Amino acid sequence: EVQLVESGGGLVQPGGSLTLSCAVSGFSFRSYWMHWVRQAPGKGLEWVARINSNGGGTSYADSVSGRFTISSDIAKNTLYLQMISLRAEDTAVYYCTRDFDSRFGDLFDYWGQGTLVTVSP
Amino acid sequence: DIQMTQSPSSLSASVGDRVTITCRASQGIRNDLGWFQQKPGQAPKRLIYAASVLQSGVPSRFSGSGSGTEFTLTINSLQPEDFATYYCLQHNRYPYAFGQGTKVEIK
Repeated sequence: EVQLVESGGGLVQPGGSLTLSCAVSGFSFRSYWMHWVRQAPGKGLEWVARINSNGGGTSYADSVSGRFTISSDIAKNTLYLQMISLRAEDTAVYYCTRDFDSRFGDLFDYWGQGTLVTVSP
Repeated sequence: DIQMTQSPSSLSASVGDRVTITCRASQGIRNDLGWFQQKPGQAPKRLIYAASVLQSGVPSRFSGSGSGTEFTLTINSLQPEDFATYYCLQHNRYPYAFGQGTKVEIK
């Protein structure tokens, strides 16, 4: 069974840091690109970042570029999102999701349950 | 960056109605578009990929069409479990972008 389980969310002060994790199982982690998507309370979905299957390539939304870093540990089957200089507008539920081959639309078929990050004094 | 304009932002419909949701890309994205359904408190669920391919296990009343800049999600004979928010996603180039969402409510 394919599973993605996020953790690491919580309350953090503006300017603070937090690292999210996404533990995956039930599929070959090394064969997939992985993404983070977030959703502010009551708002729509926002793509955040991606990492390719060997960890050698990354992309970021303009809103997080320079502050967030996506990484992965294939041996631990875990995806990470390191967040620094957090702002109130980063408050959201953060989801991880997988991408087998976006050239054929085969992406975002499984998602985690999400982890809530709240940035507040 | 590619912008996705989704319409309407909300709609009211009755069980059995046919519903159409549209997404327009600010530039051509071939068929690099997916449709997702999200219910409150849940993660999004993929319905359609490659603009028109139905995800396995998704009822056939859902269909997608379009290519280039104009895309449509159609729900034939709306069912009670279809009341949710729907999003399109372009994955032609980074940064990927979702539409603003369409909330389908019960009339």
